[in-house]
Amino acid sequence: DAGVIQSPRHEVTEMGQEVTLRCKPISGHNSLFWYRQTMMRGLELLIYFNNNVPIDDSGMPEDRFSAKMPNASFSTLKIQPSEPRDSAVYFCASSAGQNNQPQHFGDGTRLSIL
Amino acid sequence: QKEVEQDPGPLSVPEGAIVSLNCTYSNSAFQYFMWYRQYSRKGPELLMYTYSSGNKEDGRFTAQVDKSSKYISLFIRDSQPSDSATYLCAMKPHGQNFVFGPGTRLSVLP
Repeated sequence: DAGVIQSPRHEVTEMGQEVTLRCKPISGHNSLFWYRQTMMRGLELLIYFNNNVPIDDSGMPEDRFSAKMPNASFSTLKIQPSEPRDSAVYFCASSAGQNNQPQHFGDGTRLSIL
Repeated sequence: QKEVEQDPGPLSVPEGAIVSLNCTYSNSAFQYFMWYRQYSRKGPELLMYTYSSGNKEDGRFTAQVDKSSKYISLFIRDSQPSDSATYLCAMKPHGQNFVFGPGTRLSVLP
């Protein structure tokens, strides 16, 4: 079975540019999570969707970040405009049922903002 | 005090050793506990998921939860060089989101 698929795997762009990260969750999973991982702060939850509806976006750092889930098989995380401090690895994870279930992660997008 | 504490390591052990990885936490409402393994430049991979206190075994891995001490452990028996990775614990109360520890970097030397 295919796991969580993220694209692109790497993104290097200049400050001020728009960045869009993409995620395809595991088929049948109805919860989707976006995380950011840095050396300093570890793994931080940005936003959580259940049945395509954003449930908790309290981790989204600021208005420059937005996330959508137009259908059960696709989600995007957008940063506009990007800043060097946004450089991190961004992970998408999905789980079945409610958010008490274990989460399965993609391999992440390594983002570098110059 | 952070909600979940974990020694960052690095922890170096010889091949074949028993490895003990630990997390402590402060929130007594935590009920669900997970251990993940993360190889370099890869996503976290679920190893163990437990709900209650006690032990859970899966092959060479044993997860232990002591809610009274707010302490969880992951034991790896007969450690292999392929076990070299960062190990993350994660835990949550019912109805809320998982909180991840910072991870312990493990090196198993051949």
